This record gives sequence, structure tokens and C-alpha cells, in this order.
Amino acid sequence: KQEVTQIPAALSVPEGENLVLNCSFTDSAIYNLQWFRQDPGKGLTSLLLIQSSQREQTSGRLNASLDKSSGRSTLYIAASQPGDSATYLCAVSGYSTLTFGKGTMLLVSP
Amino acid sequence: GAVVSQHPSRVICKSGTSVKIECRSLDFQATTMFWYRQFPKQSLMLMATSNEGSKATYEQGVEKDKFLINHASLTLSTLTVTSAHPEDSSFYICSSGTGGLDYGYTFGSGTRLTVV
Repeated sequence: KQEVTQIPAALSVPEGENLVLNCSFTDSAIYNLQWFRQDPGKGLTSLLLIQSSQREQTSGRLNASLDKSSGRSTLYIAASQPGDSATYLCAVSGYSTLTFGKGTMLLVSP
Repeated sequence: GAVVSQHPSRVICKSGTSVKIECRSLDFQATTMFWYRQFPKQSLMLMATSNEGSKATYEQGVEKDKFLINHASLTLSTLTVTSAHPEDSSFYICSSGTGGLDYGYTFGSGTRLTVV
């Protein structure tokens, strides 16, 4: 059974800092890995999707990497802003399944 | 991009009543819709998978008679919480894939259900 772990569970940083969120998974037989953002009381917004054959994806200030063999992914956020404050979820897609981590709650203070 | 529209966003109901949550795919055909439940400060828990025109597949521990799922068309899936109790209060989210596994999943905006 796939298990997804996200570290840290919570992170508080001052505005402008670069930061890294970590995601690890136990079964490397995945189709893709997706990073989501969730604001309080809201649904999920997809940030980046990395196919199993890819090593990284970039969108603006966000960069996600994938090391499938070691079961790890990182989400790098450059020059963090208060608007980045949210919970970030990592989800791994297997055959007909999508397994989520518990998320990292990020707070960026002005 | 693909959009999944979920309604209502928030609902309060009395114990014993039923509540229906709708999820519509606006610009694609959702042959499969996933229904999740999320407890405060917890991750998403998959409740069931609905496929258009067939019975939903429920995860272990989820009561299918309590959480009725209907997926009658390629653009609409509904979750009905029957005879709701306070312990059913939660955040419910639907999701669908826009092109199989190659394009990831799109989520609805969620429904906050409060049973009083």
C-alpha cells in the first residue's frame, strides 16, 4: 500500500525566503506526482504535475523535482510571499489510485 | 483548463435529513469521479469512485447506503448523505481526471457540511 509522507508538517518563514517542501513515497511504481495548494476551507488547486519519466517541472516561482527511484519529490518556492500561505499537498498517482500526504502548512509573514 | 464545479459550497442541515452535493465537469467528459472527505487538519480520504453508468466503488469502511453516489451522465456526479448525523459533518471534495493519468486530477471547490 502506497504511503506518502510530507515534511515538515508546518513551516513559518519571513517574506522573501526561498524554501523547500519535501514529499516521500514508499512505492516507486507511480504514474505521476502532483503538488496541490489548499487554502483554508477551499478545494485543491493543482500547482505542478510531474510524470514518472520526468525529473522536474517549473511554473513561475515554483519548481518541483522527482526522484522516482528513491521515492522523493521536493517543491521549491522562490522568493516567498504572504500570498503563498496555504497548505501544500503532495499526491502520488498509481493505477486507479491517488494517495495524498498530510500536507505542509506554510505561513509566510510580511 | 479543466474545471470541476461543485455545489453547494456550504450547507447546514438538521440531523436525520439528507443532503445532496453535485459535481459537474464543465469542459470535459468525466467518465470517473472521485469523492473525498477531509477532516480538520487532515489529508483527503478517498470515499468512493464513481464511473458513469455503473455502480460506484466504495472504499473499505465507507457505508454505501449512507453515502449514495450517482453518476448518471458524463458531466454530473452526485453524492447524497442520507439521514445525516453530526459525525457526518466534514469537508467533501470531488475530483476527476481530465485525460487519464497523463494530465493529473482537477478538484472541485469543496462542500462544507455541518449537521446540527
